[in-house]
Amino acid sequence: KNEVEQSPQNLTAQEGEFITINCSYSVGISALHWLQQHPGGGIVSLFMLSSGKKKHGRLIATINIQEKHSSLHITASHPRDSAVYICAVYNGGATNKLIFGTGTLLAVQP
Amino acid sequence: EAGVTQSPTHLIKTRGQQATLRCSPISGHTSVYWYQQALGLGLQFLLWYDEGEERNRGNFPPRFSGRQFPNYSSELNVNALELEDSALYLCASSLFRGAERNQPQHFGDGTRLSIL
Repeated sequence: KNEVEQSPQNLTAQEGEFITINCSYSVGISALHWLQQHPGGGIVSLFMLSSGKKKHGRLIATINIQEKHSSLHITASHPRDSAVYICAVYNGGATNKLIFGTGTLLAVQP
Repeated sequence: EAGVTQSPTHLIKTRGQQATLRCSPISGHTSVYWYQQALGLGLQFLLWYDEGEERNRGNFPPRFSGRQFPNYSSELNVNALELEDSALYLCASSLFRGAERNQPQHFGDGTRLSIL
């Protein structure tokens, strides 16, 4: 079983829909990253959070440390949001190592 | 501010050869991380360098190695290339202030390594 699980693996939405991507983890963490990967490979860091909620434009990320769960929400989705969204956790300690989920492939149709 | 830059964009090699991938971090960042993303697999941690030293290593064989230069740029070397080394190799950089760990990582666009 992966230490970081994401759901769903694939998601198709219509433009304008509200989207939620979930991330659950089984290890102790010190922080969690949400990343966006477009076709071609480049990765953009969307958020890093260790508690509560962060908002940037139409993107909202929340984390519940007790439940070991985080969600990424996209409001008013747009075709340009189509990408792979990856959850990654820092497992604390001195390793400074990120453990990655397998990603959620999002396709937003016009 | 320039982001993380990687070169080359694409690299084609044959089995048994050696590959060198390069990464320049964001100015002011001292930590460089290397990751492998093989087709159909998630991102896997390879190496972490900070202040010229290897700080942590993932579960990869010794033929994956690297170094960090005084200007904080980094090289990843892969010796005795195998077909399964075909992957996207991503570099990331971050600040690392000792006790202030777990800084946000900023990624490059990757080098796509193809082994024929």
